Formats: sequence, structure tokens, C-alpha cells
Amino acid sequence: AQSVTQLDSHVSVSEGTPVLLRCNYSSSYSPSLFWYVQHPNKGLQLLLKYTSAATLVKGINGFEAEFKKSETSFHLTKPSAHMSDAAEYFCVVSDGGRPGANNLFFGTGTRLTVIP
Amino acid sequence: KAGVTQTPRYLIKTRGQQVTLSCSPISGHRSVSWYQQTPGQGLQFLFEYFSETQRNKGNFPGRFSGRQFSNSRSEMNVSTLELGDSALYLCASSLLGQGLGDTQYFGPGTRLTVL
Repeated sequence: AQSVTQLDSHVSVSEGTPVLLRCNYSSSYSPSLFWYVQHPNKGLQLLLKYTSAATLVKGINGFEAEFKKSETSFHLTKPSAHMSDAAEYFCVVSDGGRPGANNLFFGTGTRLTVIP
Repeated sequence: KAGVTQTPRYLIKTRGQQVTLSCSPISGHRSVSWYQQTPGQGLQFLFEYFSETQRNKGNFPGRFSGRQFSNSRSEMNVSTLELGDSALYLCASSLLGQGLGDTQYFGPGTRLTVL
């Protein structure tokens, strides 16, 4: 069965310090993995996507994530947090397509707070 | 390209009423998916439409329905509204559809409040 676990519901960092948001997944198929960000009362914006090319994926706004198959992880990082990074982050796995099923699985989200 | 648009952005209804929400996908996208987002349940998949056909369906009661038009625009309808239907309803479009490694592009959502 496919699932996504975001290990922290809330992460606080100081402005200028590194960000680490953790995500573990399980999938019976070769997964595609995504990170989305959601600012208050807004839709989800794609940060980055992994689809079995390079294991280190670079996204927008300085974020990147590394796919580690042995650890079934896809953690999101950023070297230096900015106040505008404060938002909710969702890790999402797509299991490659099984017709008639819900093929996208969302994590429960991690709320990132950036302290000035 | 214009992004995914949803109308209306905010809606207030009373219990028992029905509501219709609209979603216009990115030009050229044929798949539209709908999600319900609440603080308690998080993001839950409602259904996906592709070329006017419902392709996937989540675990929601029959009060929730949708359709897609030939121009790929989609509507979802909720009948006999309940207080628990208060949520942010998100629409997402993609070229090929969810589950195929295809990127979903989300609209800003419709905030529905049921009184």
C-alpha cells in the first residue's frame, strides 16, 4: 500500500538557519514524489518533483530534496530560511498509475515557522 | 499561461442547501481533480475527471458529484450541505492525470462555510 509520513507536524527555525522537513514514503511501484507549499488561504504550489532521474532534485526558492530509496525518504532542505518560507509543506507520492484508484497520496503537512 | 482558476473564492451557505463550485484548468490540460481540505482530515481526494469522464473517485458520499465539460472546465456539486462540509475545496489540473507522475497544478481554492 502507498502512504506518506511527514515526521514533524511543526518545525520552527530562525531566519538564516537551515531548514529540514522530513518525509518517508511507502510505495509498491516506482514512485514520483513531490513537495508542495501552501501559504495561508492559498492553493498548493509545486516546489519540486522527483521522477527517477537525478536523486537530488532542485526546486524553486532555494529548496532541494534528495530521494533515498534505501531509506524510503524524500526530505526537503534549504540552506538558509527566509521569513517568506513560513507556510505549510506537503509531501506527496504518486504510485505510477492504477486505473480506477486514487493514485496520489498526501502527507499530513508540516507547518514551518520562521523566527526573525 | 494562465493558472488554474476557481470560482467563487468564498461562499457561505446554510445546512440543507446545495452548492456548485467551478474550476477552469490550465489551457491544454485534460485532467481535473478535486480535493477537500479541512484542519481535521487534511487533504482528501474527491474525484478526478479526464476528457469528460470520471476516472477516479475518493471515499465521499453521493452528495458530492462533479462533471467536466468538453473545454475541460469542471464543476463540483454538493447537495444537502452539512456543517462538516465546511472546507477549502481545491481543484488541480494536469496534462495526463494524477498517478502518472504528472504534475498537478492547484488553483487557489474555494472556501466554503456552511452555517
